[in-house]
Amino acid sequence: NAGVTQTPKFRVLKTGQSMTLLCAQDMNHEYMYWYRQDPGMGLRLIHYSVGEGTTAKGEVPDGYNVSRLKKQNFLLGLESAAPSQTSVYFCASRNDSSHNEQFFGPGTRLTVL
Amino acid sequence: KQEVTQIPAALSVPEGENLVLNCSFTDSAIYNLQWFRQDPGKGLTSLLLIQSSQREQTSGRLNASLDKSSGRSTLYIAASQPGDSATYLCAVNTGFQKLVFGTGTRLLVSP
Repeated sequence: NAGVTQTPKFRVLKTGQSMTLLCAQDMNHEYMYWYRQDPGMGLRLIHYSVGEGTTAKGEVPDGYNVSRLKKQNFLLGLESAAPSQTSVYFCASRNDSSHNEQFFGPGTRLTVL
Repeated sequence: KQEVTQIPAALSVPEGENLVLNCSFTDSAIYNLQWFRQDPGKGLTSLLLIQSSQREQTSGRLNASLDKSSGRSTLYIAASQPGDSATYLCAVNTGFQKLVFGTGTRLLVSP
């Protein structure tokens, strides 16, 4: 049981390049989340999904797109990376009860030059 | 808008001390509160989850309390060890598929 995994672990992009971050979970969780963590700001929710085929905007969605084609995977895309998107990105998942805890992946450290 | 504050931002203690980390939130309408540990360059590890109807939760040397009416939670660490050195984050579940995080307390336990 690997839990929540993220690929890649590190990435450096140039401004304007695109990339996709992959999150996978093997716990059969319905809900999945993408957060970004910046110094002094805590984690902020980018997008989330309440089930396969669904996505919704979080607190800071601009510049990102997501897809949930399979229940176990949640993809975060940057179409045209900007230096302001330099951050550490965390994926999380949880079961379908609102009382259940979220489980986090190890993070992806992204630098945009 | 829910806001979560953690005080202190950093704490340094000698090994063996008991310590308390504080978390406060502005809106008492929460489903639960979760405490996490984050090691440098790593992801978040869930330590304790307190439901809104509970007053406290314990796991080993950790005890977390919740006072919804006053918008406060504390994480008590007994007999601290150097291995406890990490950043501790609290997050409140507001429903609406959202965790609101504090900015964390960076703990250093020296031998």
